[in-house]
Amino acid sequence: AQSVTQLGSHVSVSEGALVLLRCNYSSSVPPYLFWYVQYPNQGLQLLLKYTTGATLVKGINGFEAEFKKSETSFHLTKPSAHMSDAAEYFCAVSEDYNTDKLIFGTGTRLQVFP
Amino acid sequence: SAVISQKPSRDICQRGTSLTIQCQVDSQVTMMFWYRQQPGQSLTLIATANQGSEATYESGFVIDKFPISRPNLTFSTLTVSNMSPEDSSIYLCSVAQGATGGNEQYFGPGTRLTVT
Repeated sequence: AQSVTQLGSHVSVSEGALVLLRCNYSSSVPPYLFWYVQYPNQGLQLLLKYTTGATLVKGINGFEAEFKKSETSFHLTKPSAHMSDAAEYFCAVSEDYNTDKLIFGTGTRLQVFP
Repeated sequence: SAVISQKPSRDICQRGTSLTIQCQVDSQVTMMFWYRQQPGQSLTLIATANQGSEATYESGFVIDKFPISRPNLTFSTLTVSNMSPEDSSIYLCSVAQGATGGNEQYFGPGTRLTVT
């Protein structure tokens, strides 16, 4: 059965610092992996996804993530945090190729301090 | 991309009553999903709704409690029946477009339900 673990329910960084949000998954088949962001009182928005091909995936707002099969990880990074990055970030996995069903991690709340 | 609207955006309901949440998409889609997001928590999939077939419920969710309709390719409803305070959550619908496999989901803004 697939599952997603996000280490750290809260992450705090200073503006301009590196952002690293961790995501590990378990899956019995090659998974599709996603990062979504949820700004306060808003719906979810896709940041980036990995399906096949290049393991380093670039997304919106300067975020990127690298799929590491050997580590079953899909960590999200951004070189320089901005105040507007403060939000809840969710990692999700899909291994149901017939329905696109997603299983979400517990989320990481990112705080950015000036 | 798909634009999704939900009605109502929020509601406060008495325990024992039912609420029907509507989800409207601006394009035809095959797969629609309903999620629950309890306060401060992640999203939990309630069910997958395909047009023309019965919804498929996840473990822990049953049709009697969360009946779903999917009358066409742009619309779905989720009813939260016989509500209790534990049903207080944000309910979100989402859709996936394209041939299945690796498609992103587009989410509606959510319906914030409070049960008193």
